[in-house]
Amino acid sequence: GAVVSQHPSRVICKSGTSVKIECRSLDFQATTMFWYRQFPKQSLMLMATSNEGSKATYEQGVEKDKFLINHASLTLSTLTVTSAHPEDSSFYICSARVSGGATDTQYFGPGTRLTVL
Amino acid sequence: AQSVTQPDIHITVSEGASLELRCNYSYGATPYLFWYVQSPGQGLQLLLKYFSGDTLVQGIKGFEAEFKRSQSSFNLRKPSVHWSDAAEYFCAVGAPTGTASKLTFGTGTRLQVTL
Repeated sequence: GAVVSQHPSRVICKSGTSVKIECRSLDFQATTMFWYRQFPKQSLMLMATSNEGSKATYEQGVEKDKFLINHASLTLSTLTVTSAHPEDSSFYICSARVSGGATDTQYFGPGTRLTVL
Repeated sequence: AQSVTQPDIHITVSEGASLELRCNYSYGATPYLFWYVQSPGQGLQLLLKYFSGDTLVQGIKGFEAEFKRSQSSFNLRKPSVHWSDAAEYFCAVGAPTGTASKLTFGTGTRLQVTL
């Protein structure tokens, strides 16, 4: 149980284009999902918290107009990197939260490697 | 604000040897504590977690961790390491704020296993 998928696993795009990354909870419903960014050989940096049916909450320093998040259903959140530039190249990982006291745990997707040329 | 320190950036152990990965946290109350493992190019897999109760927590793949409040530590241990354990290990602390528990991650410890 608690499987999270991401699509695509790898994407290469030209500078100036937009890229959408999907995060799905496959066997549970997640009212809250999280988006992280990970630079090579570094830790995960929380970008935003995605709440089903409401606006995402962005961490300080993260441009909400550049990283658009939509959490349209209890099993799907999407991250769109708009007008991508080479500095946006990174490993993006999502997680879905299983909530409820002792089971409040985040389960992570396999990640999406974005390369902007 | 909560924070996590993993003092060891890189550790090398021989297969069959014991392992201890250190994690120290900073948080004003009793935190939620987690250990995750990440293989190259992959997402994170949950190894174990601590919320309350027994301070010695058992996880998957033969790992365990012990919460020591007096030392603000949550070290990960394994009695006998296998070559497949080579990966990046992240300790994380969660604050149960509102309806979403944010996680703060340490910088990770890369484990290398020699045969």
